[in-house]
Amino acid sequence: AQSVTQLDSQVPVFEEAPVELRCNYSSSVSVYLFWYVQYPNQGLQLLLKYLSGSTLVKGINGFEAEFNKSQTSFHLRKPSVHISDTAEYFCAVSATSGTYKYIFGTGTRLKVLA
Amino acid sequence: DAMVIQNPRYQVTQFGKPVTLSCSQTLNHNVMYWYQQKSSQAPKLLFHYYDKDFNNEADTPDNFQSRRPNTSFCFLDIRSPGLGDAAMYLCATSSGNRGGNEKLFFGSGTQLSVL
Repeated sequence: AQSVTQLDSQVPVFEEAPVELRCNYSSSVSVYLFWYVQYPNQGLQLLLKYLSGSTLVKGINGFEAEFNKSQTSFHLRKPSVHISDTAEYFCAVSATSGTYKYIFGTGTRLKVLA
Repeated sequence: DAMVIQNPRYQVTQFGKPVTLSCSQTLNHNVMYWYQQKSSQAPKLLFHYYDKDFNNEADTPDNFQSRRPNTSFCFLDIRSPGLGDAAMYLCATSSGNRGGNEKLFFGSGTQLSVL
């Protein structure tokens, strides 16, 4: 079975400052890793994903994440945030074989302050 | 555009009155999922289908049932909604083909209120 831990429930940050949202996972098998963003009253939208290859992945809206297998982490970063980045961010994992389930973390609410 | 469509966007039902939520997809994906999301919580997987193969989560209450009559449609039936079932219900799909295109496609969700 897989599990995901997002250590920060809320992260306030000033506009144009850098931000890192933390994600750690647990799994006995190889996994794919994802970050999704959810704006108020909307469904979830994919930001980026790690399937294989380069451990640094770039996504939409200037976000990037780095897969660290030894630390079982997949932290999300952005060098300069905008007010429009205010949203809920979810980390998710899915096994590379067998089940097709996606397991989500509890989410981090990013609040960008003017 | 290919997409995942959920209807209705908002659903109000009475305590104990059966309700059905609908999801359709134009992506021709093999896998369809139902998630329950309560305020400020992670989406919780209720069940998923690979084609017609149904997979129920162990902690999904018996009150929740699902049907997938064909590739395009999937329904969530709540037989006797309780106040605790008020939540956003998210439908999602994935291709089921491992590799570069692997990801979940979400609908906009149905917000269920139970009075």
